[in-house]
Amino acid sequence: NAGVTQTPKFRVLKTGQSMTLLCAQDMNHEYMYWYRQDPGMGLRLIHYSVGEGTTAKGEVPDGYNVSRLKKQNFLLGLESAAPSQTSVYFCASSYHGEQFFGPGTRLTVL
Amino acid sequence: KQEVTQIPAALSVPEGENLVLNCSFTDSAIYNLQWFRQDPGKGLTSLLLIQSSQREQTSGRLNASLDKSSGRSTLYIAASQPGDSATYLCAVLDTGTASKLTFGTGTRLQVTL
Repeated sequence: NAGVTQTPKFRVLKTGQSMTLLCAQDMNHEYMYWYRQDPGMGLRLIHYSVGEGTTAKGEVPDGYNVSRLKKQNFLLGLESAAPSQTSVYFCASSYHGEQFFGPGTRLTVL
Repeated sequence: KQEVTQIPAALSVPEGENLVLNCSFTDSAIYNLQWFRQDPGKGLTSLLLIQSSQREQTSGRLNASLDKSSGRSTLYIAASQPGDSATYLCAVLDTGTASKLTFGTGTRLQVTL
């Protein structure tokens, strides 16, 4: 079991560029989440999904979009990156209320 | 809105010492509470999960307690080792929130030789 994996691990973007972060899990979990982690602010929920084909907004959804076309994958998109989106992004999946995290993607927007 | 606070923000102890990390939350209507460990530049590793009906959970040298009525949880680490150095995060899962966690900002622990 690979657990929760994220690609890429690192990325540098210029302001206005777009990109997609991929999260994959092989544990057959229904629920999946995208968080961002910033110094002094802890982890904040961006978007989440309670099953294939569903998505919902979290605490800080502006500037991001998500899709859950397959149960095992949860994609996070930035349509027009801004420096304020420089952060570490974590994906997680959960089973019976326990969350399991991926290793993170460190994104820098110049 | 649920708020989670962890005190202290940072802690340094000599190897072998027993220590307690604190977590408090404002809304006691929680489903469970989870403790995580995060090493620098890494993801979060789940340490212990306490259901709302439980009072404590143990794993090796770690013991987590939960007092829902007072909105508090503690993580007890026995006989600390340098390898325990990391940031420890607690997170609560509120009832009726589609499994959305609210995180504290963590306690950064350093265990010195």
